[in-house]
Amino acid sequence: RKEVEQDPGPFNVPEGATVAFNCTYSNSASQSFFWYRQDCRKEPKLLMSVYSSGNEDGRFTAQLNRASQYISLLIRDSKLSDSATYLCVVNMGGEDGGFKTIFGAGTRLFVKA
Amino acid sequence: NAGVTQTPKFRVLKTGQSMTLLCAQDMNHEYMYWYRQDPGMGLRLIHYSVGEGTTAKGEVPDGYNVSRLKKQNFLLGLESAAPSQTSVYFCASSYRPGKDESYGYTFGSGTRLTVV
Repeated sequence: RKEVEQDPGPFNVPEGATVAFNCTYSNSASQSFFWYRQDCRKEPKLLMSVYSSGNEDGRFTAQLNRASQYISLLIRDSKLSDSATYLCVVNMGGEDGGFKTIFGAGTRLFVKA
Repeated sequence: NAGVTQTPKFRVLKTGQSMTLLCAQDMNHEYMYWYRQDPGMGLRLIHYSVGEGTTAKGEVPDGYNVSRLKKQNFLLGLESAAPSQTSVYFCASSYRPGKDESYGYTFGSGTRLTVV
């Protein structure tokens, strides 16, 4: 089982739609969580951190469910410019007492006019 | 405000050739990383550094070496390139995890390497 799993998609949605992605993680001791956005042939960019209480940034809402070990990203009122790959990222403690950051393979979103 | 700068952006190597990828950051980040990204796979950590003069192996270190002689620079070397090293390479930097998690990683724009 992968440490971080995402549905690769693609999700094809019309403009204005609401779309949600989930990401599951296997290590219950995972400490911090993020969503990144990656445009085609570009570098990943931090979209938002995911806090235990859930957090919102404009049309984007991120939530964490520790009991079920997943995080989610909700995009409301989708725009054409939201078309991208969304990467789930999990930080967990490493074997040597350090840390380990795992990137999911990403979920592709296409927003159509 | 450059952030993370990678050079070169593109390169084609013949099997057995060597090269060095350069990464520079101007954000005073302690941590720096080299990742590779292949189709259908997540970013995989090659090597990382937690400070000047230190390096550590990541998930896929074989065939690569790194050096961090200065805090702002992190170099990735391929001593004898192989076709399996054809990939997109990203450098990233961050503060020490736990210090300020909300900033996450800052990535360079990537190097597209093809080994023929």
